[in-house]
Amino acid sequence: NAGVTQTPKFRILKIGQSMTLQCTQDMNHNYMYWYRQDPGMGLKLIYYSVGAGITDKGEVPNGYNVSRSTTEDFPLRLELAAPSQTSVYFCASSYSRGLAGAKNIQYFGAGTRLSVL
Amino acid sequence: DAKTTQPPSMDCAEGRAANLPCNHSTISGNEYVYWYRQIHSQGPQYIIHGLKNNETNEMASLIITEDRKSSTLILPHATLRDTAVYYCIVRVAGGGFQKLVFGTGTRLLVSP
Repeated sequence: NAGVTQTPKFRILKIGQSMTLQCTQDMNHNYMYWYRQDPGMGLKLIYYSVGAGITDKGEVPNGYNVSRSTTEDFPLRLELAAPSQTSVYFCASSYSRGLAGAKNIQYFGAGTRLSVL
Repeated sequence: DAKTTQPPSMDCAEGRAANLPCNHSTISGNEYVYWYRQIHSQGPQYIIHGLKNNETNEMASLIITEDRKSSTLILPHATLRDTAVYYCIVRVAGGGFQKLVFGTGTRLLVSP
């Protein structure tokens, strides 16, 4: 079981470039999430998805886009990269049957370290 | 989600118990206490969660006070690999979409 897999592990972008961060999970989880973590800080939610074809904004969505065409994949797109997007990006997934009291534990990938110069 | 307060850092000797406190004085009756940890900038890892009873699993124990306003995560025999940032998070369990609100956590340093 690979869990949540993120690629690439590292990337350096020039200002104005675009890129897609890949995330895939093999646990058949219905929920998926993208977080960013700036140095010394906690994680902030960028976007999330409750199932294929359904996405919604988190706390810090500006400058990013997502799509969820399959249960397994949840790519994050950066358009016109800016230095403020230098961060570590984490993808996560969880399973929820919509029942109160259920665990709904999030499983995280290893992260993508992005620098925008 | 209720806010939590944790000490910024703690030290522990290898082999001893590490007791990490968390205050959540505004917790609601249907909110659970979750603990995650993050080892050296890896992705966060779930440890344990509980509502009002003490909980134990293969990784740790969770002690929640009777008034539920604070809790303690216990690593019974800390090892060097337990050096990490530990996050205490309060949230409603289950239901639909769940946002994890990460603070800055407690940085635990386990020394030989």
